[in-house]
Amino acid sequence: DAKTTQPTSMDCAEGRAANLPCNHSTISGNEYVYWYRQIHSQGPQYIIHGLKNNETNEMASLIITEDRKSSTLILPHATLRDTAVYYCIVRVASGTYKYIFGTGTRLKVLA
Amino acid sequence: DSGVTQTPKHLITATGQRVTLRCSPRSGDLSVYWYQQSLDQGLQFLIQYYNGEERAKGNILERFSAQQFPDLHSELNLSSLELGDSALYFCASSAQPVLGETPLHFGNGTRLTVT
Repeated sequence: DAKTTQPTSMDCAEGRAANLPCNHSTISGNEYVYWYRQIHSQGPQYIIHGLKNNETNEMASLIITEDRKSSTLILPHATLRDTAVYYCIVRVASGTYKYIFGTGTRLKVLA
Repeated sequence: DSGVTQTPKHLITATGQRVTLRCSPRSGDLSVYWYQQSLDQGLQFLIQYYNGEERAKGNILERFSAQQFPDLHSELNLSSLELGDSALYFCASSAQPVLGETPLHFGNGTRLTVT
């Protein structure tokens, strides 16, 4: 079962920052937080991941709280093409590299 | 382009039949994962292979089986198909991490329709 909790849906105005929260209160010390998104019925696309520190890449920023029980994915300037389902995943650290997806957040970017 | 290739893109078959879905991982990736996504449902993890060996199992039915070949491509076999097996089937691959973590890279899926 998924170990993360995300809001079901969110709206964001085009050009504004989209902040997508995720709760992972049972995360273990060696478990990473991953974010993926799925546009329509395409294959999920990797966005970013992190362990403790905040991370930034060309797509987004990941802010992880100090206690690591929650995180926020930030899309700095949302565009219509960012409309998608965003999944927050905690990688199950059992040596099997199992990735369990939850139901995600459906982000709609509004013109 | 993720570098993961899945064939066929679409498959229509009848109940009771058997189909094979194929996945070629990204060059250099040793792990292959299979996921099922039914209409408006989340991604359900089915099974993972690493360098030819089964590593993890999820909610995979006994009618379903998979394997990874020496050239690292993988096949997912679905038999005695039922209407409820209609779904998108995704394959993903990842490298074996030496340090840190490596993400999954997904193909664009095979859409299976059972009539």
